[in-house]
Amino acid sequence: GAVVSQHPSRVICKSGTSVKIECRSLDFQATTMFWYRQFPKKSLMLMATSNEGSKATYEQGVEKDKFLINHASLTLSTLTVTSAHPEDSSFYICSATSVSSYNEQFFGPGTRLTVL
Amino acid sequence: SQELEQSPQSLIVQEGKNLTINCTSSKTLYGLYWYKQKYGEGLIFLMMLQKGGEEKSHEKITAKLDEKKQQSSLHITASQPSHAGIYLCGAAETGANNLFFGTGTRLTVIP
Repeated sequence: GAVVSQHPSRVICKSGTSVKIECRSLDFQATTMFWYRQFPKKSLMLMATSNEGSKATYEQGVEKDKFLINHASLTLSTLTVTSAHPEDSSFYICSATSVSSYNEQFFGPGTRLTVL
Repeated sequence: SQELEQSPQSLIVQEGKNLTINCTSSKTLYGLYWYKQKYGEGLIFLMMLQKGGEEKSHEKITAKLDEKKQQSSLHITASQPSHAGIYLCGAAETGANNLFFGTGTRLTVIP
């Protein structure tokens, strides 16, 4: 099956710094990638949808200047949490779809961000 | 890690019919989530179950978690074309909040 990787799997950073999370589709071209955030004991929340070569579409309530998303190629999307604060600590998961997979969504393993 | 099996993998039903999707875990679940995905779109959160024997309903969709917290079912009553999509169950490991997902069930509702 299609594989999506995320890097890093865990990251700890100081408040005020920026953190970049990578999402890669390893064996297929991802026309669309999704970024989710999971709060403790709650569901995944869709943050944004990104299509290769175009600007990401952010969900209501998600600050685009805070969470920078770049989908520069068909196999890589990055999420940068800028000026991170402790409340940004969360589990971030990406997923990817391709036309050839009939738009089935394949999820990455997630990245746990801890902001001190 | 958790392993989640969903059944059936795909389902085609006539509009108005009831249907059930199952999600089975090899381990006791800390929390069980049901999501729906419309083609080409992100996940839509449906319900979360956490207690053994818990049952939740939203509109025509009912989800149950068994007492042992290893199996959940999603039941749709009087299905409509708007119910079509891929249904995913996801499970949380105790204390980790990492979610593991089932393989998904593709539902088609024929008008």
